[in-house]
Amino acid sequence: KNQVEQSPQSLIILEGKNCTLQCNYTVSPFSNLRWYKQDTGRGPVSLTIMTFSENTKSNGRYTATLDADTKQSSLHITASQLSDSASYICVGASGNTGKLIFGQGTTLQVKP
Amino acid sequence: EAGVAQSPRYKIIEKRQSVAFWCNPISGHATLYWYQQILGQGPKLLIQFQNNGVVDDSQLPKDRFSAERLKGVDSTLKIQPAKLEDSAVYLCASSPRQRSDNEQFFGPGTRLTVL
Repeated sequence: KNQVEQSPQSLIILEGKNCTLQCNYTVSPFSNLRWYKQDTGRGPVSLTIMTFSENTKSNGRYTATLDADTKQSSLHITASQLSDSASYICVGASGNTGKLIFGQGTTLQVKP
Repeated sequence: EAGVAQSPRYKIIEKRQSVAFWCNPISGHATLYWYQQILGQGPKLLIQFQNNGVVDDSQLPKDRFSAERLKGVDSTLKIQPAKLEDSAVYLCASSPRQRSDNEQFFGPGTRLTVL
């Protein structure tokens, strides 16, 4: 069964600190792994997309890693800002149609 | 470039009533998706269109949900009759083509509350 699991479910950090969000996936056939940011009341916005041959990809202060052997991914946020407060969703894309399998998300709250 | 537009943004109805949501995808995007996102969960695909044809509607509760994409552009999603468990955010997304590496662009969603 295709599924994506994320941890932790929620996280509170102080502004300026770093944090890492985790994702375990079972997606077959695997095409790519994505991280989305979803602000409250908004639709998800893509941060990174990685295929199995990529093990790291950055987008500003966001760095995603992918270990295709262990089927794990992480999203590292450097020097957090208040605007990073959002839900971060790990998503696996399956096969040729690109059907997306969503995790339940990690809710990040950055406090001043 | 204009993003995916959805309306209304919020809707409150009583159970057993009907409701319809509208989506206008990014111009030129052939693939359109409707997702249901229950509070605290990730989005769940309800239906996927390629132009005006249905590609995947395996998770659409067809006894009460229906969707159409006339002329391969705008789309509407209808619920009739609504149940309490339909309370969720309904997201519309579009992508240029039906490819696994295509990015999906999401609209702001419609928040439905069923009383």
